[in-house]
Amino acid sequence: QVHLQESGPGLVQPSQTLSLTCAVSGGSNIIIGDYWSWIRQAAGKGLEWIGSVSAGGSATYSPSLKSRVAMSVDISRSQFSLKLTSVTAADTAVYYCARGRGAYYPNSFDSWGQGTLVTVSS
Amino acid sequence: QSALTQEASVSGTVGQKVTLSCTGNSNNIGSYDVGWYRQISHGAPQTIIFTNSLASGIPDRFSGSKSGTTASLTISGLQPEDEADYYCSTWDYSLRAVVFGGGTKLTVL
Repeated sequence: QVHLQESGPGLVQPSQTLSLTCAVSGGSNIIIGDYWSWIRQAAGKGLEWIGSVSAGGSATYSPSLKSRVAMSVDISRSQFSLKLTSVTAADTAVYYCARGRGAYYPNSFDSWGQGTLVTVSS
Repeated sequence: QSALTQEASVSGTVGQKVTLSCTGNSNNIGSYDVGWYRQISHGAPQTIIFTNSLASGIPDRFSGSKSGTTASLTISGLQPEDEADYYCSTWDYSLRAVVFGGGTKLTVL
């Protein structure tokens, strides 16, 4: 069972860039065929997929966030990262990293981090 | 408006069998595997089913199925600890995105 752990600032100022990292550890690290993903949940709301990146660096993003999102993977460090630019209060949420599974596209997630609350406020 | 539709709430008594549904279309559920997750008291989601497989540590009283464009999660022998929010997900080819259902709040009476 892979273990995922998010890290990054809990407070980001409006218009700035949110940056988070997810460390992957356990029996299976960043390998071909998996989709390393970010998902968020605003208070009282449901889960929202932000995007996924493969070990080869190919990324797919939510259409609604695509213009502001960038994801990358660092195989040597067994970690992957999220950058979300020009944040507003609407980006305040708990951010989860997760491992996506699927034959050609990620359709489900089998491992999750504990989540990290990011608040956008001045 | 979520691309996948789930019941807002479902309730059942201890020992009962309950089924939660997740309805989509041919671009998502009709074409791809579905994942199911439960979330207790807004903690981190816990995977129940992914790519048609029961996740490690999940009892076999949980089972998933799919018929056309509707996926279902069945819980046989409902337990008090099953009270949680349940979400489904899959890939949507038209949207080029992972989509989640809005979630079902399961109450154990």
